[in-house]
Amino acid sequence: QQQVKQSPQSLIVQKGGIPIINCAYENTAFDYFPWYQQFPGKGPALLIAIRPDVSEKKEGRFTISFNKSAKQFSLHIMDSQPGDSATYFCAASRTNTGKLIFGQGTTLQVKP
Amino acid sequence: DGGITQSPKYLFRKEGQNVTLSCEQNLNHDAMYWYRQDPGQGLRLIYYSQIVNDFQKGDIAEGYSVSREKKESFPLTVTSAQKNPTAFYLCASHSGAGNYGYTFGSGTRLTVV
Repeated sequence: QQQVKQSPQSLIVQKGGIPIINCAYENTAFDYFPWYQQFPGKGPALLIAIRPDVSEKKEGRFTISFNKSAKQFSLHIMDSQPGDSATYFCAASRTNTGKLIFGQGTTLQVKP
Repeated sequence: DGGITQSPKYLFRKEGQNVTLSCEQNLNHDAMYWYRQDPGQGLRLIYYSQIVNDFQKGDIAEGYSVSREKKESFPLTVTSAQKNPTAFYLCASHSGAGNYGYTFGSGTRLTVV
């Protein structure tokens, strides 16, 4: 019930491609779904987040798609660049706890 | 600039030794968290604190201890009871006021020698 399952574990795309990372959750009480980006040797940084009252949110080249009925959400990176090469984590939480449950992470490599 | 400072960046522990990882924030955040990161396992919650002088166990608290005597500080002690402590440790915080975007520190890499 508390798990967030993330796939794929790793992903390689060419520059300009659109990598898609997927996450699924079980707990319907979750109401906050952020994505974090982590570079090697650094802490994760908040990239974009969505709440379940919307089905899509865009910030620059990053888009979250949210499917409440399927209990799934995904991150799309438009026009990917080598500088986007990093590990991406999805997460979920309930507003009244604030405690984030993280997915297992996806290592993305964007080839020039 | 506001943020979270973790120290040291690298730490080496001998077998049977306790070590303490520092986490300090100047964001005036109420809640603070410790996560452990291992390759392929994501971020696993060790301990968290939502208010001074109170803290809760996370999913993997065995072999770890914490204190929260000041709002700004949330140190983590890795005790000798933690049999496999080699990992990357991350501290995070959030304001708790309906905003759950965590701010993370830059981490401490702990290695057993």
